[in-house]
Amino acid sequence: GENVEQHPSTLSVQEGDSAVIKCTYSDSASNYFPWYKQELGKRPQLIIDIRSNVGEKKDQRIAVTLNKTAKHFSLHITETQPEDSAVYFCAATYNQGGKLIFGQGTELSVKP
Amino acid sequence: NAGVTQTPKFRVLKTGQSMTLLCAQDMNHEYMYWYRQDPGMGLRLIHYSVGEGTTAKGEVPDGYNVSRLKKQNFLLGLESAAPSQTSVYFCASSLGPSRGTEAFFGQGTRLTVV
Repeated sequence: GENVEQHPSTLSVQEGDSAVIKCTYSDSASNYFPWYKQELGKRPQLIIDIRSNVGEKKDQRIAVTLNKTAKHFSLHITETQPEDSAVYFCAATYNQGGKLIFGQGTELSVKP
Repeated sequence: NAGVTQTPKFRVLKTGQSMTLLCAQDMNHEYMYWYRQDPGMGLRLIHYSVGEGTTAKGEVPDGYNVSRLKKQNFLLGLESAAPSQTSVYFCASSLGPSRGTEAFFGQGTRLTVV
C-alpha cells in the first residue's frame, strides 16, 4: 500500500539542542521525499527535499538523510531556535510521482 | 503572481447542505491536490489531478467529488455535508515529478458542518 509513518508525534527540546524526526515509507514510493513546516495558522511550506539517488542533503541547520534499504528518511535540525517551533510533515510520492502522501506530523516545541 | 488561492476561507454548513471549494493557481502547474487536515491526522489526500480533465482518488475520497475542467482550477465538492467533514481543507499544486515537485499550498479553508 501507500503509507508514510512519522515519529514522534510531539518533540520538545531546549534551545540549542538538536531535533530528529523519522519517517518510514512503504515499498511503492517513488523517488522524491520532501519535508514541510507548518507554523500555527499558516499553510505548509517546503523546507528541504531529497531524491532517492542521494543519501543526504544539507541546508544550513537542516539536513535530511535517506536510507533506501530500510525505507526510512529523517529530518535533522541542529542548534534549534524558538522560531523552529512548528509542525513538521514528511511526505513521499507514489503512483509515478502523481500522489503526494504525508506523514501524520510532528509538533516540535523549542523551549528558550 | 498570486500562487495558489482558495475560496472561501471560512464556511459554516448545515448537515445535508452542499458546497464547492475553489482552488485556483497561476503557476501553470500540471498537478493539483486536495487535502484535509484534522488534529493528529496530518494531511490526508482526498483527490488529486495530474492534468486538465483528469482526476484520481486519494486516501479519503468518500463524500467528495472533484473536477478539473481548466488547468488552473481544481474544484472540490461536498454533495451532502456531514459533521465528520468538519476540517481545514488545503489545496496544493506542483509542476510534477519530471519538472520539479515542490507542492505549493493555498491558505486553507476552514469548514464547519453543524
